[in-house]
Amino acid sequence: NAGVTQTPKFRILKIGQSMTLQCTQDMNHNYMYWYRQDPGMGLKLIYYSVGAGITDKGEVPNGYNVSRSTTEDFPLRLELAAPSQTSVYFCASSSETAGNQPQHFGDGTRLSIL
Amino acid sequence: GENVEQHPSTLSVQEGDSAVIKCTYSDSASNYFPWYKQELGKGPQLIIDIRSNVGEKKDQRIAVTLNKTAKHFSLHITETQPEDSAVYFCAASIRTGGFKTIFGAGTRLFVKA
Repeated sequence: NAGVTQTPKFRILKIGQSMTLQCTQDMNHNYMYWYRQDPGMGLKLIYYSVGAGITDKGEVPNGYNVSRSTTEDFPLRLELAAPSQTSVYFCASSSETAGNQPQHFGDGTRLSIL
Repeated sequence: GENVEQHPSTLSVQEGDSAVIKCTYSDSASNYFPWYKQELGKGPQLIIDIRSNVGEKKDQRIAVTLNKTAKHFSLHITETQPEDSAVYFCAASIRTGGFKTIFGAGTRLFVKA
């Protein structure tokens, strides 16, 4: 099993550009999450999904969008990149709600906005 | 809003010594407390978790204790080794929405050989 796979691993964007961060999992988990990790700040939840077709906002959703058309995939879209979105982005999944079960994380996408 | 505070932010120990990381949480309804280890360039990985109906849990060199009354929980690593060097995150479930955990800011542990 590959677990949670994120692509790309690194990316540099110019201000105003858009891009999609890809995330796929092969564990048949219903729950999926997107976090951003800033230095010394821990992990902040951007969006999450409890199943295909269902998404909801986390703590810091502004500037991002998500979709969940399949159980496996949960892409994160940045429409108009801003320097404040420079961060490391992690996708995670869990078999049950993260309020009750551990999350499995990908290795992250390191994004710089210049 | 709900939060999790984690201390210390940095911890340096000699190989073979013990390391203790402490967290406090604010939501009295929190009932699940995982700990994650993050190595350089990798995503966080679960190392141990504890539920609110248990006061202590141990897995080889690592243990976690939970004090529900005081709303704090701790990670204990005994006989530390250089490969224990990493960033450790505590987390707590929150009742709002029912689907989330919130994370502490992390502790960077250095184990000196």
